Amino acid sequence: EDKVVQSPLSLVVHEGDTVTLNCSYEVTNFRSLLWYKQEKKAPTFLFMLTSSGIEKKSGRLSSILDKKELFSILNITATQTGDSAVYLCAVDLYGDYKLSFGAGTTVTVRA
Amino acid sequence: GAGVSQSPRYKVTKRGQDVALRCDPISGHVSLYWYRQALGQGPEFLTYFNYEAQQDKSGLPNDRFSAERPEGSISTLTIQRTEQRDSAMYRCASSVGHEQYFGPGTRLTVT
Repeated sequence: EDKVVQSPLSLVVHEGDTVTLNCSYEVTNFRSLLWYKQEKKAPTFLFMLTSSGIEKKSGRLSSILDKKELFSILNITATQTGDSAVYLCAVDLYGDYKLSFGAGTTVTVRA
Repeated sequence: GAGVSQSPRYKVTKRGQDVALRCDPISGHVSLYWYRQALGQGPEFLTYFNYEAQQDKSGLPNDRFSAERPEGSISTLTIQRTEQRDSAMYRCASSVGHEQYFGPGTRLTVT
């Protein structure tokens, strides 16, 4: 059975801290791994990773994939209260973007 | 421009009734996906379409669930003879590539 496991389930940090979120996967097939940010409404796309070792960055967020050890990390530096959200990791198994999601990590950033 | 819209946003129904959930994707988006999201979990794939063709319905829980997209735009997810276990957030997403744009969801409560 395909599995996407995120850790930790939740964390609380103070503004300015750095957070590291983990996503590990055991799947029958792998095409890409995607990260989403979910606030009160809909998940919004952050990154798609297909190749090992190549870091993707967007502002204070960055992510990297390790296809040998089957995990990805999402880093958020200099956190702000607006970063508070559920961060979802998903794996695309067959290239048709039928995504298999993890349960998410809830990040709370306190002022 | 307008994002993905879903209606109704909230639906309360009695057990045994049929419900129809609507998704209006971003104009021009070829692919449309339906997911179900339980509280504290990531979205779970149900089915998806390219244009009007249903490509994969392997995630539909049983034959009470069906979906259509007759003209390759608006899609309807229908649940017949609803049961309490069907209560969840039903989300739709549309895309032209890897970035899926999610709608706000329909919160279905079966009493």
